[in-house]
Amino acid sequence: DTGVSQNPRHKITKRGQNVTFRCDPISEHNRLYWYRQTLGQGPEFLTYFQNEAQLEKSRLLSDRFSAERPKGSFSTLEIQRTEQGDSAMYLCASSLSRDRKSSPLHFGNGTRLTVT
Amino acid sequence: AQKITQTQPGMFVQEKEAVTLDCTYDTSDPSYGLFWYKQPSSGEMIFLIYQGSYDQQNATEGRYSLNFQKARKSANLVISASQLGDSAMYFCAMRGTRGKLIFGQGTELSVKP
Repeated sequence: DTGVSQNPRHKITKRGQNVTFRCDPISEHNRLYWYRQTLGQGPEFLTYFQNEAQLEKSRLLSDRFSAERPKGSFSTLEIQRTEQGDSAMYLCASSLSRDRKSSPLHFGNGTRLTVT
Repeated sequence: AQKITQTQPGMFVQEKEAVTLDCTYDTSDPSYGLFWYKQPSSGEMIFLIYQGSYDQQNATEGRYSLNFQKARKSANLVISASQLGDSAMYFCAMRGTRGKLIFGQGTELSVKP
């Protein structure tokens, strides 16, 4: 169990550029979540997958955001035409789906995005 | 809609004393789970404790216990014998039948020596 891995740790980009983040979950976990966290706030749900199926996407999520989990293992989160308001920490988490209510989410260390 | 409310932006506690962090929730799901996470200044989210909505007893994990009052829709975290390393942000979270976990705004706990 090597934990949830996120890359890159930091990303600085100019407004209008596209960025892509990667998340590798714990290997036996079939659920994968993306969250966004700004300073002093709780994590905000973006989307989650069970295996390769995207089960829910936040209504707050702009269509500039897209996430994939093509083979049910790692996931990517892409932000197109970045805006300064996208600057945040992007957290990935994974969990088991059996007895899903009690299975805690295990978080990665996040990708910090700064849009200049 | 589901909602988690943490009304204490910041709390102070003396080392070795106990502290209670408040959390109230709202949901229409008949079955749900409540979680507490710790986020130190280094940024990682650390799972602390879980309480199921049908659990008869309050959850405990070492120095952490969850004071679950279902009728009042509250799930307060109690930390006993506070340590300097407990200084961190603490988040209450809830997961309903749809599977996603939603978080409160957090409480920043500072432990004084």
